[in-house]
Amino acid sequence: KQEVTQIPAALSVPEGENLVLNCSFTDSAIYNLQWFRQDPGKGLTSLLLIQSSQREQTSGRLNASLDKSSGRSTLYIAASQPGDSATYLCAAPYGGSQGNLIFGKGTKLSVKP
Amino acid sequence: ETGVTQTPRHLVMGMTNKKSLKCEQHLGHNAMYWYKQSAKKPLELMFVYNFKEQTENNSVPSRFSPECPNSSHLFLHLHTLQPEDSALYLCASSRALGAGYTFGSGTRLTVV
Repeated sequence: KQEVTQIPAALSVPEGENLVLNCSFTDSAIYNLQWFRQDPGKGLTSLLLIQSSQREQTSGRLNASLDKSSGRSTLYIAASQPGDSATYLCAAPYGGSQGNLIFGKGTKLSVKP
Repeated sequence: ETGVTQTPRHLVMGMTNKKSLKCEQHLGHNAMYWYKQSAKKPLELMFVYNFKEQTENNSVPSRFSPECPNSSHLFLHLHTLQPEDSALYLCASSRALGAGYTFGSGTRLTVV
């Protein structure tokens, strides 16, 4: 069964700092991994989708990497801004072709002005 | 708007009521999902539909009844709920099982 763990659970940084969020998963037989952002009381916004054949994906100030062999993914945020404050969720599929996403508990990020 | 629309945004219901949550997508996706998000817990998968057929029921109590009349619409019928069922219910869709997910904004359900 797939289990997804995110570290740290919460992170507070000053504006402008570069930061890394970590995600680990137990079943490495995945074909993709997805990072989401969730603002309080809102739905999820997809940030990056990394296919298993890729090592990383970039979108603006965000860069996500995937290492299937070690069961890890990282989300790198460059030059953080107060608007980046949100909960960041990592999700990996549960084996086979079912395509069911299993989520971590998330990392709550607070960027102070 | 993400392309996945959920209604209502908020719902308060008594334990003896019957209500329905609606999800609609016009992204041409073939798979649709219901997730439950409770405080301090990870998102929990409830149901999966692929081409209108249910492919996953994650041991969800029968007081939650899903319906998928076509690939664009998904409903969650609710009856005799418990206060612990209060949560944010999220709908998502994907082009195919395993492809990238698009989520709706969710329905905040409160059972009183």
